[in-house]
Amino acid sequence: DIQMTQSPSSLSASVGDRVTITCQASQDISNYLNWYQQKPGKAPKLLIYDASNLETGVPSRFSGSGSGTDFTFTISSLQPEDIATYYCQQYDNLPPAFGQGTKLEIK
Amino acid sequence: QVQLVESGGGVVQPGGSLRLSCAASGFTFSSYGMHWVRQAPGKGLEWVAFIRYDGSNKYYADSVKGRFTISRDNSKNTLYLQMNSLRAEDTAVYYCAKGSIGYCSSTSCYVFDYWGQGTLVTVSS
Repeated sequence: DIQMTQSPSSLSASVGDRVTITCQASQDISNYLNWYQQKPGKAPKLLIYDASNLETGVPSRFSGSGSGTDFTFTISSLQPEDIATYYCQQYDNLPPAFGQGTKLEIK
Repeated sequence: QVQLVESGGGVVQPGGSLRLSCAASGFTFSSYGMHWVRQAPGKGLEWVAFIRYDGSNKYYADSVKGRFTISRDNSKNTLYLQMNSLRAEDTAVYYCAKGSIGYCSSTSCYVFDYWGQGTLVTVSS
């Protein structure tokens, strides 16, 4: 099975900061990588699919890049409503696997 | 708009059974693969099971294979998860999730574009 490793596990940043989260796959997954946002007590929400495609309705401050084994998720200017846990997920091979999550807090 | 509403969660003893339901609306249910994904308290996300849009193919995580059964009734726009031989480690919020591509094949089925609010299953004596 493919393992997904996110870093950092938690992150504290100020409003307006640029925030970057990385996700590494244990083997080449091409661009079959998604990013989800989960706010406390809520269901996850798809933000980015196929590594770099923004889901409809998602603000443009969110972006993703990468291919192969190394991927990056970026928030260009952190907003208070972005406080959440973010997960990457691969779907190149079954079973689909999530990273362990990155908890983002406001400093 | 797309809505997924889970029900059927609760407290069950180890070794017991439970059936979860997910009522879907706002899209053509019979055209999309559907999934169950769970989240243990304070933990990350774990994919559990998938069923093809027509019910002809089903896949399971190794952790639930042989104990859980995913099914669907396209006439009722409803997804199910029958959970047998439940263990303490099955305690989690269970989400149903919609695959993003209609009539999908292979791994393209595994992008989850809409999720329900979840239903809590607690396995405890």
